[in-house]
Amino acid sequence: GAVVSQHPSRVICKSGTSVKIECRSLDFQATTMFWYRQFPKQSLMLMATSNEGSKATYEQGVEKDKFLINHASLTLSTLTVTSAHPEDSSFYICSAIQPRSGNTIYFGEGSWLTVV
Amino acid sequence: GDSVTQMEGPVTLSEEAFLTINCTYTATGYPSLFWYVQYPGEGLQLLLKATKADDKGSNKGFEATYRKETTSFHLEKGSVQVSDSAVYFCALSAGTGTASKLTFGTGTRLQVTL
Repeated sequence: GAVVSQHPSRVICKSGTSVKIECRSLDFQATTMFWYRQFPKQSLMLMATSNEGSKATYEQGVEKDKFLINHASLTLSTLTVTSAHPEDSSFYICSAIQPRSGNTIYFGEGSWLTVV
Repeated sequence: GDSVTQMEGPVTLSEEAFLTINCTYTATGYPSLFWYVQYPGEGLQLLLKATKADDKGSNKGFEATYRKETTSFHLEKGSVQVSDSAVYFCALSAGTGTASKLTFGTGTRLQVTL
């Protein structure tokens, strides 16, 4: 079946550095991907909608300059957390829509980011 | 705005016990409702869904009925197995037809023991 893969699954970075998380659709083309964030004991919160070949659409309250999203191909979207701070430590998960299966949404495994 | 409230976990059950995970929602219009499951180390997987009132979604022995009058979509299974141990997320999509933007609950961790 369709698979969405994220990398890395866990990353630790120093405060002030940038970290990139990749989201790949492995056997289908995804024109639309979504990025979510989850803090402990809270809901998955949609951060942005990533559209291939165009700028991402960010949800209210999400800093677009801090969370850079690039969807340069139909199988890859990347989330870059710039100048990371400890409060950015969270679980980030992406999803992709597969049009051929009635727009079914497939999720990646998620990425744990720890900023120290 | 739209919101989903589900019971806090963790829920610990013995194998073959009956499972209920409560989920209620607030939304304008007529949302589609979903249950997703996340097994350890894996991405969220769609478990079941219902797109209109009184619909019952079912899969792998799990069931949930879309109750418009109580704005609920409780997840049930008659006899859980150790392999059902996972985190379960209730979600809604207010869009018609396609499940695009999803609003999630906080997730409920289920631990099934022998």
